[in-house]
Amino acid sequence: AAGVIQSPRHLIKEKRETATLKCYPIPRHDTVYWYQQGPGQDPQFLISFYEKMQSDKGSIPDRFSAQQFSDYHSELNMSSLELGDSALYFCASSLASGALYTDTQYFGPGTRLTVL
Amino acid sequence: AQSVTQPDIHITVSEGASLELRCNYSYGATPYLFWYVQSPGQGLQLLLKYFSGDTLVQGIKGFEAEFKRSQSSFNLRKPSVHWSDAAEYFCAVGADSGYALNFGKGTSLLVTP
Repeated sequence: AAGVIQSPRHLIKEKRETATLKCYPIPRHDTVYWYQQGPGQDPQFLISFYEKMQSDKGSIPDRFSAQQFSDYHSELNMSSLELGDSALYFCASSLASGALYTDTQYFGPGTRLTVL
Repeated sequence: AQSVTQPDIHITVSEGASLELRCNYSYGATPYLFWYVQSPGQGLQLLLKYFSGDTLVQGIKGFEAEFKRSQSSFNLRKPSVHWSDAAEYFCAVGADSGYALNFGKGTSLLVTP
């Protein structure tokens, strides 16, 4: 079965640079979520989109922005990168059909961002 | 706000032994509860979920979990652990379907021969 695709899988940037992470949800899924997992930490929710509109917002820094496109893929844009932004960034997707049992979040493999 | 607590940071079990990983949640209404597993450097794989109904849920890889409202718990169990089960296990809670998940700090499982 098709899974969530994230690209790139690994990214190395310098401080103050920008980075763009991409997420391609499972086909037919209309909701995407972004999480950040620091070393040895649990995943922390950043932001989510449903039908191209922001649906929920967590602890996302102002330096970060995200959007969902008409084909439901999403991009997380990160500017003025800091050392503390080094983390594993997960994208998850779900299908918001209105039926309870379908809104399960399926996670991608993650993008490992290293800021030097 | 909803939250989960995983009291055990590390657990070591012998291969073939039974396993129980603890998870306690805090939420006023009926929570949406999940267990995910993460192998080193890998993504999060869903093991099982509880939304409502039968309080004993079966998942993949032989795992099961039981929702106990009276104890605010959702413990993960497996009758016989395999070496390949060594990984990080996360319990997560969602306030409403389709909204952000709050994860516990995780339990690292080590399986010894």
